[in-house]
Amino acid sequence: NAGVTQTPKFQVLKTGQSMTLQCAQDMNHNSMYWYRQDPGMGLRLIYYSASEGTTDKGEVPNGYNVSRLNKREFSLRLESAAPSQTSVYFCASSLRVGDNEQFFGPGTRLTVL
Amino acid sequence: RKEVEQDPGPFNVPEGATVAFNCTYSNSASQSFFWYRQDCRKEPKLLMSVYSSGNEDGRFTAQLNRASQYISLLIRDSKLSDSATYLCVVAVGGFKTIFGAGTRLFVKA
Repeated sequence: NAGVTQTPKFQVLKTGQSMTLQCAQDMNHNSMYWYRQDPGMGLRLIYYSASEGTTDKGEVPNGYNVSRLNKREFSLRLESAAPSQTSVYFCASSLRVGDNEQFFGPGTRLTVL
Repeated sequence: RKEVEQDPGPFNVPEGATVAFNCTYSNSASQSFFWYRQDCRKEPKLLMSVYSSGNEDGRFTAQLNRASQYISLLIRDSKLSDSATYLCVVAVGGFKTIFGAGTRLFVKA
């Protein structure tokens, strides 16, 4: 039981490049989330998926797209990376939206030059 | 004003000390409250939920004051392994969960 896994762990991009962050969970959770964490700020929600087949914007969706590929997998895509997107990205899941506990992946450290 | 505010610290305490963290939130419609722990360069993990009646889990005690919109976490008999960042988390409803920026704790031998 791996919980929530994310790939890659680290990534360096040049401005304008694109990439996809992958996330998978094996807990049979319905809801999945993408957050970013910046120094001095709390985690901020980028996008979430309440259930398979649905996705919705969170607090800071600009510059990102997501795909809920199936119940297990939820990917985050940066189409044209910008230095302001340098951050640590966490994927999380919960049994359902609004559930008490969210389970987080280990994070992806992204630097955009 | 941030929706959830915490003292960023760091708090530097010796082993065995008692330390308290405070958190305030701005949305009076907030429904659920939590403390998460985040170790350096790791993911956040749920430490405990916070209830109006107060709740305790071993050396950890959490309190909620809805009237003052204030949450606290008390750690007694601090251990070296308690060194981490403690995140105050408030769920407003639906998908909206607000994470505080965290309070850093260093416990020294």
